[in-house]
Amino acid sequence: KNEVEQSPQNLTAQEGEFITINCSYSVGISALHWLQQHPGGGIVSLFMLSSGKKKHGRLIATINIQEKHSSLHITASHPRDSAVYICAPGAGSYQLTFGKGTKLSVIP
Amino acid sequence: KAGVTQTPRYLIKTRGQQVTLSCSPISGHRSVSWYQQTPGQGLQFLFEYFSETQRNKGNFPGRFSGRQFSNSRSEMNVSTLELGDSALYLCASSIRGGAGELFFGEGSRLTVL
Repeated sequence: KNEVEQSPQNLTAQEGEFITINCSYSVGISALHWLQQHPGGGIVSLFMLSSGKKKHGRLIATINIQEKHSSLHITASHPRDSAVYICAPGAGSYQLTFGKGTKLSVIP
Repeated sequence: KAGVTQTPRYLIKTRGQQVTLSCSPISGHRSVSWYQQTPGQGLQFLFEYFSETQRNKGNFPGRFSGRQFSNSRSEMNVSTLELGDSALYLCASSIRGGAGELFFGEGSRLTVL
């Protein structure tokens, strides 16, 4: 069993749709990162959270430590949101365990 | 403010050779972590350095090593290259170790022939 499970693996949405990506993990963590990777490889850190909820623009991330579950929401999706989104819980010192990623395609 | 710089961006080596990759963190960042990304295994943690000390190492053989200099720049070395070492190697820096936002470089893409 993978330590980090992301769903869905692939997601196609129409521009403007509300999107949710889920992440369940079995490892103990001190914080969980949500990362965005565009074609070509560059990775951008979207959120780091250890409890509750964070919001940045159209992106919202939540985490439930007791249930070992986190979600990433994108409101009013746009084609520029097309990327791979990766969940990465960490036990500290950036010893992150990575999910396989969710490939999001937003169609105009 | 300059971002995280990785060099070289692309390189091709043959089996048995060794390779050294460099990572210059954002000015003021003392933590540098390294990751390997392959199509089969995805992203995996290699190691993390903070103030010239390796604090954690992932599940990789001893052929993978690294170091950090007093100016926080870091290098990783892979000796006796194998075909399976072909990957995108990413480094990330953070202002403090153990927690905090990560800033990634563009990566070094290694091809082993």
